[in-house]
Amino acid sequence: QKEVEQDPGPLSVPEGAIVSLNCTYSNSAFQYFMWYRQYSRKGPELLMYTYSSGNKEDGRFTAQVDKSSKYISLFIRDSQPSDSATYLCAMSSSASKIIFGSGTRLSIRP
Amino acid sequence: DTGVSQNPRHKITKRGQNVTFRCDPISEHNRLYWYRQTLGQGPEFLTYFQNEAQLEKSRLLSDRFSAERPKGSFSTLEIQRTEQGDSAMYLCASSLLNTEAFFGQGTRLTVV
Repeated sequence: QKEVEQDPGPLSVPEGAIVSLNCTYSNSAFQYFMWYRQYSRKGPELLMYTYSSGNKEDGRFTAQVDKSSKYISLFIRDSQPSDSATYLCAMSSSASKIIFGSGTRLSIRP
Repeated sequence: DTGVSQNPRHKITKRGQNVTFRCDPISEHNRLYWYRQTLGQGPEFLTYFQNEAQLEKSRLLSDRFSAERPKGSFSTLEIQRTEQGDSAMYLCASSLLNTEAFFGQGTRLTVV
């Protein structure tokens, strides 16, 4: 079993819809949680960073962490065609490497 | 400072040749990570440094791979005797201790 599980998609939604992306993990020591967006043939771009449990909002993006369920989510409101990309979840514990999910391909239909 | 810089952006090499990639992290970031990514997969951990110390190296990593970070600044990743299976995007990221990591644009390696 992988330490971080992420549905690869693809996920296709109409423009303006709310998108929900999720990851589950097995290592209860993880404390730092990140979401990255990656366009084709580009490096990952950091979207959200959260420490421990709770919610964090930045513009159209909301990140949620539920450590009791070992489950993290990223919500995108008012989705735009420019949001079409691969979304990667990532996490780590103190003094450890960052582990990534396999990524979810998202397509926003105009 | 404009972020993490990786060079070259693209490298085509013949099988059996050695290649070296360079990563310049964000100034004052003490952690530096190397990852490898193939099409449709998430970044796969290779190794990471805290300052000049290499703290962990993936068990999946062949002895043909070596990384250095002299003086805790830039880092190099060398692949000796390249194989076609080494073709991938090699990503570098940097961070402060226990904070978010920022990635460079990667080096795309093609072994022919």
